Amino acid sequence: KQEVTQIPAALSVPEGENLVLNCSFTDSAIYNLQWFRQDPGKGLTSLLLIQSSQREQTSGRLNASLDKSSGRSTLYIAASQPGDSATYLCAVSRNKNRDDKIIFGKGTRLHILP
Amino acid sequence: EPEVTQTPSHQVTQMGQEVILRCVPISNHLYFYWYRQILGQKVEFLVSFYNNEISEKSEIFDDQFSVERPDGSNFTLKIRSTKLEDSAMYFCASSETGSTGNTIYFGEGSWLTVV
Repeated sequence: KQEVTQIPAALSVPEGENLVLNCSFTDSAIYNLQWFRQDPGKGLTSLLLIQSSQREQTSGRLNASLDKSSGRSTLYIAASQPGDSATYLCAVSRNKNRDDKIIFGKGTRLHILP
Repeated sequence: EPEVTQTPSHQVTQMGQEVILRCVPISNHLYFYWYRQILGQKVEFLVSFYNNEISEKSEIFDDQFSVERPDGSNFTLKIRSTKLEDSAMYFCASSETGSTGNTIYFGEGSWLTVV
């Protein structure tokens, strides 16, 4: 059974710092991995999608890496801003049917201190 | 940018009542999903829907739950007889090619409170 774990559960850093959020998954037979952002009481916004054949994806100040064989992904946020404060969720899709579910981690609550 | 829309944003219902949560997926998407998130817990998969039928469902999705695509635009989740433990944020999602292809897009959620 696939389990997704995110460390740390919460993180507070001063504005301007670079930071790394970690995600690990127990079954390396994934099709892709997505990072989402969730603001309090809000929906999920997809930030980056990495296919299993890829090693990283970049979007603006965000860079996500994937090491499928070791079951790990990182989300790197450069030059953090107060607006980056949110919960960041990692989710994996199994290597199965096209309409398969995705399995989420519990998230990392990020607080950027002004 | 196209988005998944959900109604209502918040509903309070008495235990044992029926609830219907509504969703309008992105128009050219073919795969539809419901997920839920109990306060403080992980986002959990409930059901996936493709080609007018359920393609996969979780253990949570028991006989009290049903989904329907009554017309070409709406996708609904019905809970027949709500229980206290059904209190959660329910997210609708859609994808053009399924979770193993393109990005899944989530709605803002419907917060259900069962009292």
